[in-house]
Amino acid sequence: EDKVVQSPLSLVVHEGDTVTLNCSYEVTNFRSLLWYKQEKKAPTFLFMLTSSGIEKKSGRLSSILDKKELFSILNITATQTGDSAIYLCAGWGAGSYQLTFGKGTKLSVIP
Amino acid sequence: NAGVMQNPRHLVRRRGQEARLRCSPMKGHSHVYWYRQLPEEGLKFMVYLQKENIIDESGMPKERFSAEFPKEGPSILRIQQVVRGDSAAYFCASSLSGQGLYEQYFGPGTRLTVT
Repeated sequence: EDKVVQSPLSLVVHEGDTVTLNCSYEVTNFRSLLWYKQEKKAPTFLFMLTSSGIEKKSGRLSSILDKKELFSILNITATQTGDSAIYLCAGWGAGSYQLTFGKGTKLSVIP
Repeated sequence: NAGVMQNPRHLVRRRGQEARLRCSPMKGHSHVYWYRQLPEEGLKFMVYLQKENIIDESGMPKERFSAEFPKEGPSILRIQQVVRGDSAAYFCASSLSGQGLYEQYFGPGTRLTVT
């Protein structure tokens, strides 16, 4: 059975801090790994990673995939209170139609 | 904005009633997925549909739950004779392709409460 594990489960930081969120996966015929941000509504798509070692970046957020070690990290620099959310990681295998999600990391950024 | 649309956003049903949840995918997307999120749990896959076809329903309970995606109109997730354990957030997602090549975009969800 496919499995995605995120750590830590929750994290509290001060504004301006840099955070690293972790995601390890065991996905049959792995094709891609996705990161989402979930506030009190729809999970919002952040990144999709398919190749090892290539960093994807969007503003203060960046992510990278290591297919050899089966993990990904999401970095957020200069955190803001608006970054407070649950960050979800999901794996997708070739030939599968479903994303397998981790339980998420709840990030709280305090002023 | 041609994002994924879901309605209703909130639905309250008494035990034994039927719940109907609707999802309109993003413009140009013909692949629809339904996920359920229980409190303190991650999103769990339920069913994957293309127009007029159920492709994978391995995550959907065999009884009381059904899904469809007709040629015209939204995808519908139907729960008959709801029980308290069905209370959850139900999210719909859509993508350009179902092969892990394109990201899934999620709707705002329907929060079902069974009283």
